[in-house]
Amino acid sequence: KAGVTQTPRYLIKTRGQQVTLSCSPISGHRSVSWYQQTPGQGLQFLFEYFSETQRNKGNFPGRFSGRQFSNSRSEMNVSTLELGDSALYLCASSRGENSPLHFGNGTRLTVT
Amino acid sequence: GENVEQHPSTLSVQEGDSAVIKCTYSDSASNYFPWYKQELGKRPQLIIDIRSNVGEKKDQRIAVTLNKTAKHFSLHITETQPEDSAVYFCAASIGSSASKIIFGSGTRLSIRP
Repeated sequence: KAGVTQTPRYLIKTRGQQVTLSCSPISGHRSVSWYQQTPGQGLQFLFEYFSETQRNKGNFPGRFSGRQFSNSRSEMNVSTLELGDSALYLCASSRGENSPLHFGNGTRLTVT
Repeated sequence: GENVEQHPSTLSVQEGDSAVIKCTYSDSASNYFPWYKQELGKRPQLIIDIRSNVGEKKDQRIAVTLNKTAKHFSLHITETQPEDSAVYFCAASIGSSASKIIFGSGTRLSIRP
């Protein structure tokens, strides 16, 4: 069974630009969660989607948004990039509530 | 607010000794508590999880305990080996729907040969 796939693996963007990250969950998993990982802040919850609906959102500004498609694939978008947005963005899929999260390898975003 | 606190942030133990990592959570509705191991440059991977109707769970050298009254849960690794060196994260589900999982700040475990 294929794991969670995130693309691209690396991104370098300039302040003020926007970026879109993609996540393909494990087949059969309908829940997709996104996390931001930085050395100082650990794993911070961004949002969770299930059946194309955002069920939960973390404490991030509105510049961070996401969506989920009917095939459970998900995208997250960050607009007006800031230097502080540089981080590893991890996507995780699961079957649903109280089920283990399976993480992708992440997208490393560098904002210059 | 929603919070998971994890201690210690770094831990160094002699190979063969035991390691204990402790976490507390704030949401009394939390009912799912997974632990993840992240090796350098790799994705976090689930090593064990426990649900609120169970007080303890073991899997070979790894065990997790849960005290719902005190809102504490702990990871115990016995007979540590060099390959146990990694960053360990505890996590807890938030709210009764458990569709949101938040993580502790991580513990960097080093095993001394």
